[in-house]
Amino acid sequence: SAVISQKPSRDICQRGTSLTIQCQVDSQVTMMFWYRQQPGQSLTLIATANQGSEATYESGFVIDKFPISRPNLTFSTLTVSNMSPEDSSIYLCSVEIFGTSTDTQYFGPGTRLTVL
Amino acid sequence: AQKITQTQPGMFVQEKEAVTLDCTYDTSDQSYGLFWYKQPSSGEMIFLIYQGSYDEQNATEGRYSLNFQKARKSANLVISASQLGDSAMYFCAMREETNAGKSTFGDGTTLTVKP
Repeated sequence: SAVISQKPSRDICQRGTSLTIQCQVDSQVTMMFWYRQQPGQSLTLIATANQGSEATYESGFVIDKFPISRPNLTFSTLTVSNMSPEDSSIYLCSVEIFGTSTDTQYFGPGTRLTVL
Repeated sequence: AQKITQTQPGMFVQEKEAVTLDCTYDTSDQSYGLFWYKQPSSGEMIFLIYQGSYDEQNATEGRYSLNFQKARKSANLVISASQLGDSAMYFCAMREETNAGKSTFGDGTTLTVKP
């Protein structure tokens, strides 16, 4: 299993500023994933964060807007840059644990971001 | 085409009854995994159950079971003996082997359990 913590849990930010979200896992994992969940919507993958290499971004997401760091196997950060009200969402980090009989994807508690 | 389709935006069930939440998927991979998650109003994503494409038996976890019909590409979640605390949003997701471990999520079903 994996226990994931995120900081901050929520924040209210002004347009044009940036926010860095931290994600800490209690075990070493190869891949960490960052998702966005806009109000009333499903989860959309932003990027995959691999230790020792650049993050891989999904279509519609760019590094300049969502820079990601992955300094070691238990930690990652996602920055939401030059924020606008459209960035108001829940941001979740996630890891996948591969077991002998089952695979499980664990999520952090999420960061609720409101941009004014 | 959507990879994961959940056709029920909202469902109601009487407390103590069983309910089935539908999920169909689309993939050409032979190896894939299917997940169900619960998201209460607090926003956390809670893993419920996993089914691998090569698993011959339907997955079960307590009151949750997954009705896996591979030929129909469906992976419905069955919740038995519903409880008021089951009221939440439920997401079906798929991870394809050729998609580098990334999961694709359906739009979700809001389940309301009536007392």
